[in-house]
Amino acid sequence: TQLLEQSPQFLSIQEGENLTVYCNSSSVFSSLQWYRQEPGEGPVLLVTVVTGGEVKKLKRLTFQFGDARKDSSLHITAAQTGDTGLYLCAGVSWGVYNQGGKLIFGQGTELSVKP
Amino acid sequence: DSGVTQTPKHLITATGQRVTLRCSPRSGDLSVYWYQQSLDQGLQFLIQYYNGEERAKGNILERFSAQQFPDLHSELNLSSLELGDSALYFCASSARTSSGNEQFFGPGTRLTVL
Repeated sequence: TQLLEQSPQFLSIQEGENLTVYCNSSSVFSSLQWYRQEPGEGPVLLVTVVTGGEVKKLKRLTFQFGDARKDSSLHITAAQTGDTGLYLCAGVSWGVYNQGGKLIFGQGTELSVKP
Repeated sequence: DSGVTQTPKHLITATGQRVTLRCSPRSGDLSVYWYQQSLDQGLQFLIQYYNGEERAKGNILERFSAQQFPDLHSELNLSSLELGDSALYFCASSARTSSGNEQFFGPGTRLTVL
């Protein structure tokens, strides 16, 4: 069974601080996605990382895919109150590409950024 | 707005009952995915349909079933409901069959079983 473990589960920081969220697995994924979910809404895709070692930047957010494609991290620089939400990583498995798919989600990191 | 619609938004029912959740994918998307989100299990994949055919199955209980109709909307049927079925149920759609493609999530249906 493929599992994704996210840490920390909860994070409460002050505006302006930096933070990193980790997503780890013992399994290899063909790609990994990061979503953000706000209360009462569905998850919204932030980024997909595909190549081992890949780094993608989205304004103040930096996403990295581990060399072995088993782990990923999300780093937020100078957090803002608008960054508050649930951050989810999701792994895409080998062998399911073009054959029907499922995303394996981590448990999520609940981020609260206080003014 | 993701373009995926789900109805109803809230559903309150009793144990043993049966309910149907409905999802309309984004215009042109052929794949529909169903997920269950609960506090203890997180977001769990249930089932995927592509152009009317089942393509992938996850941790879907036998009491649950789904289908995708010719107009591409999908329904998730939950029967013999138990307290533990209380959760948020999300539908997502994507243009192609692969889960590696971006999935657009609907706003969800919150099911409460009393």
